[in-house]
Amino acid sequence: DAGVIQSPRHEVTEMGQEVTLRCKPISGHNSLFWYRQTMMRGLELLIYFNNNVPIDDSGMPEDRFSAKMPNASFSTLKIQPSEPRDSAVYFCASTLEGYGYTFGSGTRLTVV
Amino acid sequence: AQTVTQSQPEMSVQEAETVTLSCTYDTSESDYYLFWYKQPPSRQMILVIRQEAYKQQNATENRFSVNFQKAAKSFSLKISDSQLGDAAMYFCAYRSSSLVMNYGGSQGNLIFGKGTKLSVKP
Repeated sequence: DAGVIQSPRHEVTEMGQEVTLRCKPISGHNSLFWYRQTMMRGLELLIYFNNNVPIDDSGMPEDRFSAKMPNASFSTLKIQPSEPRDSAVYFCASTLEGYGYTFGSGTRLTVV
Repeated sequence: AQTVTQSQPEMSVQEAETVTLSCTYDTSESDYYLFWYKQPPSRQMILVIRQEAYKQQNATENRFSVNFQKAAKSFSLKISDSQLGDAAMYFCAYRSSSLVMNYGGSQGNLIFGKGTKLSVKP
């Protein structure tokens, strides 16, 4: 298995633009998580899905953030409009029943 | 709510020596999982070791071992025979083992500490 695949690896965008981050979880995993990593706040959970259904989105900062999981093999995290304070590394992770978590390589987002 | 605390922002060790990274957590649950993740400069999050709270035996993976003190809510990581490739950020993480079945899945969010940056001197 290729592991959890995230794209793009780096994204630089201008303030106000829409940004879409993508994630392909490991085949067979039934839970998917989006985390954000910053120096100040560390690793924070944004949202997670079980069997493609959003379970807990309490970590989503505000209405500018949205996430979807249309099927078991694909998820997106969208920021619209983006702001400089959204600059961070965004990780996607997947697991089967929470025993072993596999992380993607992350997307480094820079909003200028 | 559960919290994870890593009190050492930075640590340094000489190559081939042993170093211990500290982690404490707060929870009212009796059953849970604890993890150590390594994040090298490549930023990939790599699972180092995992411990189930119901197991009294400390987990070991090659040069990596833990000292799990359930009553003290402490979960330290010991790295023996340190190598240059061990230099990285290390994160301690907690996960409840209570399976809240939501749409066929489990409530398995990882709660992370702020991390410890480990440097290895040649």
